[in-house]
Amino acid sequence: DVKVTQSSRYLVKRTGEKVFLECVQDMDHENMFWYRQDPGLGLRLIYFSYDVKMKEKGDIPEGYSVSREKKERFSLILESASTNQTSMYLCASREGPANEKLFFGSGTQLSVL
Amino acid sequence: AQKITQTQPGMFVQEKEAVTLDCTYDTSDQSYGLFWYKQPSSGEMIFLIYQGSYDEQNATEGRYSLNFQKARKSANLVISASQLGDSAMYFCAMRVKGAQKLVFGQGTRLTINP
Repeated sequence: DVKVTQSSRYLVKRTGEKVFLECVQDMDHENMFWYRQDPGLGLRLIYFSYDVKMKEKGDIPEGYSVSREKKERFSLILESASTNQTSMYLCASREGPANEKLFFGSGTQLSVL
Repeated sequence: AQKITQTQPGMFVQEKEAVTLDCTYDTSDQSYGLFWYKQPSSGEMIFLIYQGSYDEQNATEGRYSLNFQKARKSANLVISASQLGDSAMYFCAMRVKGAQKLVFGQGTRLTINP
């Protein structure tokens, strides 16, 4: 089975801190995604990566950046965390663009105080 | 632009009853895929079922079936013989052919009562 691992289940940070959310997949998938989940809004795409060092903005990239130096790892970076970035963050991976199924991690609940 | 609408924020159902979760979608593309995911309290999104826009038969996976009505742009999830373990958030999603991302609805919280 594909495993997508997010480094932290719960994280509490202060306003202005630099925050790294890490995601690792173990199935050599090309595509990786970062979504943000908020009540009543569903999941919204922040960034995705279709290969190492390749990335594209999603629907809500403001305030975020990403890094993909190795195929298995996709990091989401909050350069200066703000309270409106308090949310559940979900990482996902997919074998390739022709594949339909996304595999998700368990999520990181980030609180910015 | 693509949009998914789930109009039921919450549903309460008795154990063993069948339940239908509503999903409508909006796209001008002819080729697309529709998905349902389950999110239990553990947080992980679990893939349930997939329907392609050109699939003539409604998709089924065990107790899950997708009632696909293309003309009405609806893709409702039907869970037969509900179980306590079905209590979770359920998300409908769509991917247009050629696009990288899945677009998700707002979700429906399903609670199964004993």
